[in-house]
Amino acid sequence: AQSVTQLDSHVSVSEGTPVLLRCNYSSSYSPSLFWYVQHPNKGLQLLLKYTSAATLVKGINGFEAEFKKSETSFHLTKPSAHMSDAAEYFCVVTVKTSYDKVIFGPGTSLSVIP
Amino acid sequence: DAGVTQSPTHLIKTRGQQVTLRCSPKSGHDTVSWYQQALGQGPQFIFQYYEEEERQRGNFPDRFSGHQFPNYSSELNVNALLLGDSALYLCASSNWGVPNQPQHFGDGTRLSIL
Repeated sequence: AQSVTQLDSHVSVSEGTPVLLRCNYSSSYSPSLFWYVQHPNKGLQLLLKYTSAATLVKGINGFEAEFKKSETSFHLTKPSAHMSDAAEYFCVVTVKTSYDKVIFGPGTSLSVIP
Repeated sequence: DAGVTQSPTHLIKTRGQQVTLRCSPKSGHDTVSWYQQALGQGPQFIFQYYEEEERQRGNFPDRFSGHQFPNYSSELNVNALLLGDSALYLCASSNWGVPNQPQHFGDGTRLSIL
């Protein structure tokens, strides 16, 4: 069975400090992995995606994530948090079976303290 | 290039009523997926449409039904509304059969049941 775990339901950082949002997955197949961000009362915006090319993936707004197969992890990082980064972040796994099966993590709420 | 558009943005209904939500996919996309996002939770997959047929379905009762039109737009219908149906309903579009692609999301319809 496939699943996604986001280890922290809430993360709080000071503006200008690094951000780390953790994601682990379980999949019997080779997955594609995505990070999405959701601002209040908005839809989900794609931050970045991993699709079996380079293991270090760069996304928008200075975010990046590293795929580690041995650890089944896909943690999201950013060197310096900005106030506008405060939002909900979702780690998503897509597994190709008969159809694409999309599995969302429960989300991590990021707060940025001025 | 128009993204995914959803209407209405907000809707208030009472228990037992019926509701129809609408979605137009991103230009060039042919597949539409619907998600339910309860407050403070991640999106839950409802179903997916391609070529006017339901291709996948999540763990939702038959009260939830849908339709896709020849222009690829889609509707989500919910009958006999319950208080627990209060949520943000998200539509996502993609291209059928294209591997490793992310879904593009609309801003959602906020449904409140009184």
